[in-house]
Amino acid sequence: DSGVTQTPKHLITATGQRVTLRCSPRSGDLSVYWYQQSLDQGLQFLIQYYNGEERAKGNILERFSAQQFPDLHSELNLSSLELGDSALYFCASSYFHASGGTNTGELFFGEGSRLTVL
Amino acid sequence: KNEVEQSPQNLTAQEGEFITINCSYSVGISALHWLQQHPGGGIVSLFMLSSGKKKHGRLIATINIQEKHSSLHITASHPRDSAVYICAVLLYNTDKLIFGTGTRLQVFP
Repeated sequence: DSGVTQTPKHLITATGQRVTLRCSPRSGDLSVYWYQQSLDQGLQFLIQYYNGEERAKGNILERFSAQQFPDLHSELNLSSLELGDSALYFCASSYFHASGGTNTGELFFGEGSRLTVL
Repeated sequence: KNEVEQSPQNLTAQEGEFITINCSYSVGISALHWLQQHPGGGIVSLFMLSSGKKKHGRLIATINIQEKHSSLHITASHPRDSAVYICAVLLYNTDKLIFGTGTRLQVFP
């Protein structure tokens, strides 16, 4: 058990809909990262928050947004869903963030949320 | 060309064999992660390296920063080692991870 909790584990929805994925980081971890794993693209970094602020952005679509709340949990919002958004969405947490060129924080991954868009 | 290349893509071994998975990268990094993903989908971080070598049980990871290359070794492989092993590099001075495409390992009894 990594200590990172993601909900829901599975989600089936229709094209055009909006969903919210939730992540609770390990106790004490300040950084939350979101990743997408699809069959054709593999694992991709989406976005990172550190202590409530956006720190880094990857290949995140404009239809997707995220935030980290004061209690450090994070939500990833996916809207106007398309078939191609079907994927596993992982959250990971770390105590540190990149500073001065080095991020020494080990990553702890959640079990993932499997999204199926029909 | 991908920024992170892994080889081989697929690997089959008999129980007890010594296994090596390789990872090469072409970008400046501050650290490299080796991850394990079982068929159920969950990802576990095995190692985070910025230099040298680390060992945990039967797993050994090495990195050569000058050559931009890392290896993951499994000694005395076991069927429970069957999983996808993913190399991921942390871009220098960022929190962005770039992932390799993974190596699917199957260990037969």
